[in-house]
Amino acid sequence: KQEVTQIPAALSVPEGENLVLNCSFTDSAIYNLQWFRQDPGKGLTSLLLIQSSQREQTSGRLNASLDKSSGRSTLYIAASQPGDSATYLCAVPDYNDMRFGAGTRLTVKP
Amino acid sequence: EPEVTQTPSHQVTQMGQEVILRCVPISNHLYFYWYRQILGQKVEFLVSFYNNEISEKSEIFDDQFSVERPDGSNFTLKIRSTKLEDSAMYFCASSVTGPTDYGYTFGSGTRLTVV
Repeated sequence: KQEVTQIPAALSVPEGENLVLNCSFTDSAIYNLQWFRQDPGKGLTSLLLIQSSQREQTSGRLNASLDKSSGRSTLYIAASQPGDSATYLCAVPDYNDMRFGAGTRLTVKP
Repeated sequence: EPEVTQTPSHQVTQMGQEVILRCVPISNHLYFYWYRQILGQKVEFLVSFYNNEISEKSEIFDDQFSVERPDGSNFTLKIRSTKLEDSAMYFCASSVTGPTDYGYTFGSGTRLTVV
């Protein structure tokens, strides 16, 4: 079974910093990897879906990279803002379902 | 942008009672899922549903759980006799072709509190 790990578990940065969140997975035979944002007590908002044939996917200040062979993905957030404060989850397909990491809880201080 | 809609947003129930959580997936999606997240823990897979039947279920999805697509739009999760440990956020998701191509779209969740 696929195992997904996210490091760090929590991160606190001052506003304006660029930052990187890490996700690793044990089985490199994935179709895609999806990054989600979760605000406290709320649902999961899809940020980026990166296909196995892609190395990068960008949306605004967010950039996700994928290295299948090493079982890693990173989510880069440029010029962080207090509104970026949330938990960021990565997930990969595992047969008929998706496996989630435990998330990185990001706090951006004004 | 199309959304997955879940109702209610919050439900409080007494231990032993039955609850039904409701979801309206995106209309052209064919695959439907339920996940749960116990406070402070990972999002966990419960069940996937395709072509009017369960395609996969986790060990969490035991006999007290059932899913149904009673009409062309709703997708429900029933918990027959709730336990305290069923307290969690329950998320419905849908996808066009399963997890392999377009990823999932999640609803905003139902917070279930069993007292």
